[in-house]
Amino acid sequence: GDSVTQMEGPVTLSEEAFLTINCTYTATGYPSLFWYVQYPGEGLQLLLKATKADDKGSNKGFEATYRKETTSFHLEKGSVQVSDSAVYFCALGSSASKIIFGSGTRLSIRP
Amino acid sequence: DVKVTQSSRYLVKRTGEKVFLECVQDMDHENMFWYRQDPGLGLRLIYFSYDVKMKEKGDIPEGYSVSREKKERFSLILESASTNQTSMYLCASSSRQGGLETQYFGPGTRLLVL
Repeated sequence: GDSVTQMEGPVTLSEEAFLTINCTYTATGYPSLFWYVQYPGEGLQLLLKATKADDKGSNKGFEATYRKETTSFHLEKGSVQVSDSAVYFCALGSSASKIIFGSGTRLSIRP
Repeated sequence: DVKVTQSSRYLVKRTGEKVFLECVQDMDHENMFWYRQDPGLGLRLIYFSYDVKMKEKGDIPEGYSVSREKKERFSLILESASTNQTSMYLCASSSRQGGLETQYFGPGTRLLVL
């Protein structure tokens, strides 16, 4: 069945460092791909999405490119801030029209 | 601003109790969802509903039931709580036009079953 695998955390970085959180997927067909973010004490929010191969989703300085050849959707940001500390979930819209979430990656940014 | 609210942020219940978790959305969304979130497992779908009085089982429905009597409200029921149902429960909603992916989440209810 459809699944999402993302890098385990926690990930700890210094402010202004470059961020990559890896995400790969297994799916039939061509699903939409998403990154959600969960800030402390809050529910999940959609951060960005891409609906077809080679699409790049972007928001708040974060980017991710839908790579069909490597079945990946890695999240990147050039210069992280303390306010980016959160849990990040990679997800896909499955063929059964549901969202499949990865296990989440906790990110902590040191001042 | 879109708003999904959940009745409690924290709940402590005893094994065997009947537990109700309430979720309300003010966006007139057709679709509503209940997930549980556990460390290392991400979010897992318990039940979802496409319309009033309609419900569909998700990936882990055992031990849970749901009720959707009004469009804005979706209740999750634990008929007889067990310790393995200790978890964070998240409610979400989406519009039919938005597709299942554009889901708006509530803040979550952290449930502890003793």
